[in-house]
Amino acid sequence: GAVVSQHPSWVICKSGTSVKIECRSLDFQATTMFWYRQFPKQSLMLMATSNEGSKATYEQGVEKDKFLINHASLTLSTLTVTSAHPEDSSFYICSARVRGLAGGQTQYFGPGTRLLVL
Amino acid sequence: SQKIEQNSEALNIQEGKTATLTCNYTNYSPAYLQWYRQDPGRGPVFLLLIRENEKEKRKERLKVTFDTTLKQSLFHITASQPADSATYLCALEGGSYIPTFGRGTSLIVHP
Repeated sequence: GAVVSQHPSWVICKSGTSVKIECRSLDFQATTMFWYRQFPKQSLMLMATSNEGSKATYEQGVEKDKFLINHASLTLSTLTVTSAHPEDSSFYICSARVRGLAGGQTQYFGPGTRLLVL
Repeated sequence: SQKIEQNSEALNIQEGKTATLTCNYTNYSPAYLQWYRQDPGRGPVFLLLIRENEKEKRKERLKVTFDTTLKQSLFHITASQPADSATYLCALEGGSYIPTFGRGTSLIVHP
């Protein structure tokens, strides 16, 4: 089946630093990738939808200057948390789709990245 | 506003029994409904997709029903095993083709 990887799986950083998380589709080309964050015992909260070669579409309440998303190729999207603060500590998960924003598709999720900001 | 409800209380069952999880929704007309499994500290894994015009879908020990009148989906695992213990998420997808996830229900299968 389709595999999506994320790197790093764990990151601990000091407040004020920037953190980059990579999401790769290993054996397929992903027209659309999604970035989520998840707090303990909460649902996945969509942060942004990223289409290859175009600007990401951010959900309401998500600061685009804080969470920079780059979908430079059909197999790679990156999320950069700029000037991270303790409240940004969370579990960040990406997912990928083959046929972009078409209906009824499986989303292939990465294993997630745990971010802890001290 | 659109709302997806999954039982926040964990479902505890004995090995070998059938587990039934519920996903209710309001103010939503989904074209597709999906179920995912999520283990602690991991990303969700796709299990089943059902379309609005389908009543039931099966895959091995899994069965999903979709009642658009009741606005409800039921997810069944027959002959449950301890390895089935996980959190199960339902996700609804409408015209935007961007799914919205429920909070998930934790299933614990006791040996």
